[in-house]
Amino acid sequence: SQQGEEDPQALSIQEGENATMNCSYKTSINNLQWYRQNSGRGLVHLILIRSNEREKHSGRLRVTLDTSKKSSSLLITASRAADTASYFCATENYGNNRLAFGKGNQVVVIP
Amino acid sequence: EAGVTQFPSHSVIEKGQTVTLRCDPISGHDNLYWYRRVMGKEIKFLLHFVKESKQDESGMPNNRFLAERTGGTYSTLKVQPAELEDSGVYFCASSPGAYNSPLHFGNGTRLTVT
Repeated sequence: SQQGEEDPQALSIQEGENATMNCSYKTSINNLQWYRQNSGRGLVHLILIRSNEREKHSGRLRVTLDTSKKSSSLLITASRAADTASYFCATENYGNNRLAFGKGNQVVVIP
Repeated sequence: EAGVTQFPSHSVIEKGQTVTLRCDPISGHDNLYWYRRVMGKEIKFLLHFVKESKQDESGMPNNRFLAERTGGTYSTLKVQPAELEDSGVYFCASSPGAYNSPLHFGNGTRLTVT
């Protein structure tokens, strides 16, 4: 089974700055999703991008998908202290809808 | 609407004991999933229910794990007997559809086997 792999693993930024995370995967996908997890809580869905889409926006979030490079990026613009969390990418394969998660990025936004 | 709820939030048991985790999905969500995160590892798929039927249980680690979803509502995941390597956080998620459908996760059950 494939895995999403995020890069970098940990990111510390100042409030107001942008945060960018990358994710790579290995096989063909149906879609790629990004989730956020605050400490001790469940994962919260942020955005889903289908394999035939290249870019998607949701509020301060921007996700890109490059299927030729099997990679995706998540950009958080104008970060806030409340954005401090772990961020996971997950891929859904064709033929099944098991999500394959990466290890996650820990993002710390310093007020 | 109420979110996905899991019970208990924490469980500490001894090796060889039995533990049952419960998940209440969002009302009306036919699809229910169990995932697990072992310390330091990725979140891994365990199984997928569509209503009361097991659609995919390829991620279940071994026959010490038994999942049920009676009547297509709540689900239970029983570990019997528990082993040390079963420690981790068990997440339940639900969705109204299957493909291209975001998952709604519960807060998880942290299981510690000593």
